[in-house]
Amino acid sequence: GAVVSQHPSWVICKSGTSVKIECRSLDFQATTMFWYRQFPKQSLMLMATSNEGSKATYEQGVEKDKFLINHASLTLSTLTVTSAHPEDSSFYICSATRQNSNQPQHFGDGTRLSIL
Amino acid sequence: QKEVEQNSGPLSVPEGAIASLNCTYSDRGSQSFFWYRQYSGKSPELIMFIYSNGDKEDGRFTAQLNKASQYVSLLIRDSQPSDSATYLCAVKAGGGNKLTFGTGTQLKVEL
Repeated sequence: GAVVSQHPSWVICKSGTSVKIECRSLDFQATTMFWYRQFPKQSLMLMATSNEGSKATYEQGVEKDKFLINHASLTLSTLTVTSAHPEDSSFYICSATRQNSNQPQHFGDGTRLSIL
Repeated sequence: QKEVEQNSGPLSVPEGAIASLNCTYSDRGSQSFFWYRQYSGKSPELIMFIYSNGDKEDGRFTAQLNKASQYVSLLIRDSQPSDSATYLCAVKAGGGNKLTFGTGTQLKVEL
């Protein structure tokens, strides 16, 4: 099956730090990648859709200046949480899909972010 | 009304039994339907996807789709304790590539 790699898997840092999370599709070209956030015992919340070579599309209520997304190649998207605060602590998960919109999304292993 | 609805459970079934997980959706234009399994503290893992009305079988898993009634279900035969997880139903509208997730059903397979 398709493999999506996400790094790092766990981050603990001080308030005010910026944190970059990488998402890579290892065995296919991902024209579209998605970034989700999941709080404990809740479902996935889509934050933004990242398209290669263009600006990300953010969901309502998600601050684009807070969560910077870059999708510079067909295999790599990055999410930077700028000036992170304790309320940003969450499980961040990326997914990737092939060009055909019927193709399923394949998820990375997620990044658990803890801001002290 | 939620766009994708699932019973949160927990759904408890004995080992070896059939587990039946159900999902309803509100957008009649939905074209693609996915079931993901998520273990506690882990990211979702794709189990099945189905596009056409009827049944689709893969090993112990069967996905069933009824577009007229706007429901999709997942059957797990010979349930094992390792199947204990939260099962997420996800729906993709026609022409788009975003998934709308249900809140998930927690399945517990008991010895």
